[in-house]
This record gives sequence, C-alpha cells and structure tokens, in this order.
Amino acid sequence: SQQGEEDPQALSIQEGENATMNCSYKTSINNLQWYRQNSGRGLVHLILIRSNEREKHSGRLRVTLDTSKKSSSLLITASRAADTASYFCATSNDYKLSFGAGTTVTVRA
Amino acid sequence: EAQVTQNPRYLITVTGKKLTVTCSQNMNHEYMSWYRQDPGLGLRQIYYSMNVEVTDKGDVPEGYKVSRKEKRNFPLILESPSPNQTSLYFCASSLAGSGNEQFFGPGTRLTVL
Repeated sequence: SQQGEEDPQALSIQEGENATMNCSYKTSINNLQWYRQNSGRGLVHLILIRSNEREKHSGRLRVTLDTSKKSSSLLITASRAADTASYFCATSNDYKLSFGAGTTVTVRA
Repeated sequence: EAQVTQNPRYLITVTGKKLTVTCSQNMNHEYMSWYRQDPGLGLRQIYYSMNVEVTDKGDVPEGYKVSRKEKRNFPLILESPSPNQTSLYFCASSLAGSGNEQFFGPGTRLTVL
C-alpha cells in the first residue's frame, strides 16, 4: 500500500522562484525521506527527517515534518533548471519503505 | 566507486520465460530491496532483505522471488513473467534498514510481451 501521497502532482515554476511540495502519510513513522529522480533514472537521496524533528535544512532544501498532521513539506529555494525532476517522499516503518507517487517539478528558464 | 549495479538495463521477453535481474552493491550494506515503478504509482516495494539469508515481502511480492546468499548480491527472479510485470525496476541498498539513506541502482526496464 502507498503510504505517502505528494501534492501537487506537477509544478511548473520560473527559474529563481521557490518550489514547495507536500507529502501526507497514513500511519506512524520512524522517519521520512525525500528523494529526487531525473527522467527515469535511479533515485537520489536528498534529506532525511526523524519523527522527533520538526525542521531540517540542507543547502537550498528545507524540510518540515508535522507528525500530528501526518504531513511533510519540501521547499526548494531559488530554483534552477537542474532542479527539474520528480520528487518523492518515502516513509519508513520497521524494515519497509513506502514511496508516494511523486511531484514532477519543471523549472523554466 | 561506491555503487549499486543492475543487469540487464533493458530486457524484452515473452510471457512465461523465466528471467533473473541481478543487483550488486559494493558498499557492504546490510539492507537491500527491490522496487517497481509504474506511471502514476510511484515506487512500490517488492521484497527486501535485512541481511544474508533474511528476506521479507514488500507491498507487491506476487510473481517475484528473491534470494540473498551473499551480502553484496540480491537477484530478483521472475519465474513466469506476465505482461503486468512490464515495469521499471530498481534495486537499492542501505547501511542498515529502511530508515537510512537508500542508494539506488540505475534501473532495469522490463517489457513482457
């Protein structure tokens, strides 16, 4: 079963703008991870936030986690053309990892 | 170079012809897993392995088998492929468990006619 669901499904922004995508999940988690995928290639890990953390930063990425609402958000600041990709949240519980359907982000030059 | 490799990268086969997709990692990772990716559905976990000789079902294990005889290898076996197994398959590994950063292979695009 799919644990996480991203919103929106697709996002188109101008270079330099910020991109925000959200992830909602259904059951309790140990942590939540965000991954990026470029056009059918393997996923690349971006950031991991533990269930006892509320916010985490990594370069131009900012992730928040609200366990009471069972939701997370990923913010990419000052977007670049190279940020064009699909972004997935993944929730971890015990040994299983569940991905959402992803948000496709297009950054226009 | 630390990596996860998969072979083959592309495969076209026919219904019922047994096939194996290999996965190998050189990072001494304990945890390995297989996913399939279909349009609009994201990645769905097929099987995972916590360590050598320890495997368990993910969310969509029907029609697949795995084995983990060595730490570095985790092959995915389709004993009798069907067209609904046409998909993009990814192998991934991590140091220990699903709660750590996963390293993904490049993917295997499988078409079953």
